[in-house]
Amino acid sequence: AQKITQTQPGMFVQEKEAVTLDCTYDTSDQSYGLFWYKQPSSGEMIFLIYQGSYDEQNATEGRYSLNFQKARKSANLVISASQLGDSAMYFCAMITGGYQKVTFGIGTKLQVIP
Amino acid sequence: EAQVTQNPRYLITVTGKKLTVTCSQNMNHEYMSWYRQDPGLGLRQIYYSMNVEVTDKGDVPEGYKVSRKEKRNFPLILESPSPNQTSLYFCASSLSAGQVLPEQYFGPGTRLTVT
Repeated sequence: AQKITQTQPGMFVQEKEAVTLDCTYDTSDQSYGLFWYKQPSSGEMIFLIYQGSYDEQNATEGRYSLNFQKARKSANLVISASQLGDSAMYFCAMITGGYQKVTFGIGTKLQVIP
Repeated sequence: EAQVTQNPRYLITVTGKKLTVTCSQNMNHEYMSWYRQDPGLGLRQIYYSMNVEVTDKGDVPEGYKVSRKEKRNFPLILESPSPNQTSLYFCASSLSAGQVLPEQYFGPGTRLTVT
């Protein structure tokens, strides 16, 4: 069975500091993808970043980077230079089964302090 | 504007009264999926569809039905809703199925309460 584990229910970070949100995954598939989504208090799901299992370089999108360590089965999200607008729930997710089935973690609530 | 729409956005209903939540996308996406979000559980996949007339169960399909008669629409049907189906429901779509698909586009969500 596929599983995503996010062990940090809540995190605080000072504005302008970097923060790492942890995500570990478990799958027996060789081909899979890992995502991070942001859910602000307004409720919408916002795609942040994607990493394929065969990608050798870590994915980056602006202030977001994904620290992919395949041997450790981890896909941590790094947010650099945190902003107040980064306060939200963050979900790690994985797509497996021939890129069909999606599994989400339970999320991490990030609060950015001025 | 490229988007995924869901209707209704909010619904309060009673146990056993059949209901349908509609989902429509205007991006010609092949892949569509339904999720439910519950506190402390994250999002869980209910059903997904790789293309027209192709649907499959996710992790929590019990009590739900779906259909994919047209590419743009993927309705979620609760034949006999029960209180444990009270949840926030999201529909999502992405460009292609069976390949690397970097991004799913999510609808705004439907908050369902079953009393």
